[in-house]
Amino acid sequence: EVQLVESGGGLVQPGGSLRLSCAASGFTFSSYAMSWVRQAPGKGLEWVSAISGSGGSTYYADSVKGRFTISRDNSKNTLYLQMNSLRAEDTAVYYCAKPLPAVAPYYFDYWGQGTLVTVSS
Amino acid sequence: DIQLTQSPSFLSASVGDRVTITCRASQGISSYLAWYQQKPGKAPKLLIYAASTLQSGVPSRFSGSGSGTEFTLTISSLQPEDFATYYCQQLNSPPAFGQGTKVEIK
Repeated sequence: EVQLVESGGGLVQPGGSLRLSCAASGFTFSSYAMSWVRQAPGKGLEWVSAISGSGGSTYYADSVKGRFTISRDNSKNTLYLQMNSLRAEDTAVYYCAKPLPAVAPYYFDYWGQGTLVTVSS
Repeated sequence: DIQLTQSPSFLSASVGDRVTITCRASQGISSYLAWYQQKPGKAPKLLIYAASTLQSGVPSRFSGSGSGTEFTLTISSLQPEDFATYYCQQLNSPPAFGQGTKVEIK
């Protein structure tokens, strides 16, 4: 059974940093590009970042480029999101998401339960 | 960047109703579109991908159509468990979601 379990969220002050993790199981993790998608309270979904299966290619939304870094450790089946210079507008539930096999990399068939990041003083 | 606009943003319907949600793209995206359902406090669930392909396990009352810039999600007979928010998503870089359509009980 595919499972994605996020952790690392919490309350952080503006300008602070946080690292999110997503532990994956039930599929060949290294074979899939993975993404982070966020949802601000009461708002819609926003794609944040993606990384190729090998980790060699990374992609970011303009809203986080230069502040967030996506990475993965395929030996630990874990996806990460390092978030620096956090702003109030980064407050959201952050989901990691896995794409459908053998289709485009952004059709997400499995999502984690989400982890809440709150940026506030 | 390609923008997606869903209409309506909110709709009130009854069990058994036929419901249609539209998603319009600011540029042509071929058939690179997905639909998701999200219930409060839960992660989104993939319903349709490639504009019209039903995801495994999704009831056949859900269907998708369209290509280019205009797409629709249709629920043929609304069930109590279908009251939720629905999002379209395009796959061009960067991928993006529509603003959502909340389906509530009339």
